[in-house]
Amino acid sequence: GAVVSQHPSRVICKSGTSVKIECRSLDFQATTMFWYRQFPKKSLMLMATSNEGSKATYEQGVEKDKFLINHASLTLSTLTVTSAHPEDSSFYICSASAVGITDTQYFGPGTRLTVL
Amino acid sequence: KQEVTQIPAALSVPEGENLVLNCSFTDSAIYNLQWFRQDPGKGLTSLLLIQSSQREQTSGRLNASLDKSSGRSTLYIAASQPGDSATYLCAVQANQAGTALIFGKGTTLSVSS
Repeated sequence: GAVVSQHPSRVICKSGTSVKIECRSLDFQATTMFWYRQFPKKSLMLMATSNEGSKATYEQGVEKDKFLINHASLTLSTLTVTSAHPEDSSFYICSASAVGITDTQYFGPGTRLTVL
Repeated sequence: KQEVTQIPAALSVPEGENLVLNCSFTDSAIYNLQWFRQDPGKGLTSLLLIQSSQREQTSGRLNASLDKSSGRSTLYIAASQPGDSATYLCAVQANQAGTALIFGKGTTLSVSS
C-alpha cells in the first residue's frame, strides 16, 4: 500500500528557532498534500492544503508567514514553523492524495513538536 | 460549515462486549466518510472508508454504516479485545475528491481484560 513518511518524528527546540518538517510519499506521486495539527486531547484540524508547484491554501486563522509550506515535487512537501513559540507545540500530521486515486488520503506517522 | 461530532467522548467496556461508536455530521453533501484508529502519540490507521453511495463496510470485527440523509455513521466493534483500546476518529470528505478531511474529536475506547 501507499506509504507516507514524516521526518523528524519528534523535535524539541528553543523558543524563537525555526523547525522544518518533511512529508514524503514514498511509492506514489501526490498531487495534493494536506497539513493537519492536533493539540492534546483535541481532534485534527486542517492547517493548509498544498498542491505541487503552487502556493498553499491556508485555513482561516493559520498564519501563512509563520507556517511556511513548500511543495516542490510530487513526492515532497515541507512545513516550516518559523520563530516557534511554546503555543506551537503540537502534533503535526501530513496526508497525501495520490495522482488518479484521490478518494484515499494516506497519512504520515506525525511529528511531535515541543517548543521550550 | 461542516461539523463532525462523535459520541461518546470516552467509553470503557469489559473484554468481549460488542459496542457502537457514533458519528454525526451537519452537511449531508459528503464524498465519503472514514473511520480511523489512533493510538496514543501515534499517527492514524485507516479502518474503513464508506463512499457516499454505500451503506456500510465491513472488515473483520468492524462494521461501519452510513446514513447520509440523516448525517450519521456508526462503527460497530464485535467481541472487543484489550488491543482495541485506542481513540477512534470519524472524518468526512467534502462533496468532491481531493479535498481535506474534517475530523470529529474522537471516542477514546478502553477495553479491560
